[in-house]
Amino acid sequence: QVQLVQSGSELKKPGASVKVSCKASGYTFTSYAMNWVRQAPGQGLEWMGWINTNTGNPTYAQGFTGRFVFSLDTSVTTAYLQISSLKAEDTAVYYCARADASPGECSNGVCLAPNWFDPWGQGTPVTVSS
Amino acid sequence: QSVLTQPPSASGTPGQRVTISCSGSSSNFGRDYAYWYQQLPGTAPKLLIYKNDQRPSGVPDRFSGSKSGTSASLAISGLRSEDEADYYCAAWDDSLRGWVFGGGTKLTVL
Repeated sequence: QVQLVQSGSELKKPGASVKVSCKASGYTFTSYAMNWVRQAPGQGLEWMGWINTNTGNPTYAQGFTGRFVFSLDTSVTTAYLQISSLKAEDTAVYYCARADASPGECSNGVCLAPNWFDPWGQGTPVTVSS
Repeated sequence: QSVLTQPPSASGTPGQRVTISCSGSSSNFGRDYAYWYQQLPGTAPKLLIYKNDQRPSGVPDRFSGSKSGTSASLAISGLRSEDEADYYCAAWDDSLRGWVFGGGTKLTVL
């Protein structure tokens, strides 16, 4: 079955970096785009952007440029989110979520519109504290 | 402040029908579909409704979605205790060139 398994929780000090992994299985990794979503404590969902899993080209949402980097290792069907110069306000649960669409609408690392998020990884809590 | 507006809370008793609204604008619901995600306590969100009113396999038909103009709704009939969760609406926003979510509605089954 299609599954996304993320790396475990992280505790980091301000100014440090963190790299979250999202291991995909059960489908052709390079056919479907991967999204990243943030959920701060007690807050709602915030879309961070997506990465084309065929070309590796990332697209970042407003507010997620500069310190946030999406990357891939297609040899192990894994997507990564790296956050540098961590701040206390980066404390959140980070989710990867595969893009999905109607049959035949996902290929070459992207899903044509309309598309949606399915499935989601279990989430990786990142805590930034001194 | 979320781009899509949802009531922060909703409640109902077992067996009742509950509706959760989501208000958007011409740049999101006015051009694109509505999507709904369910987040059970302590778990990741899960796709509940896609393309306004489509249910993924495995989602009970007690859940239904609709969209009219710049607003969308999620209805849950025959409410059950296991429906207690946070519900989020979502849409692609053409002006922002990105996905936007509602602030979430916490559903309590009394």
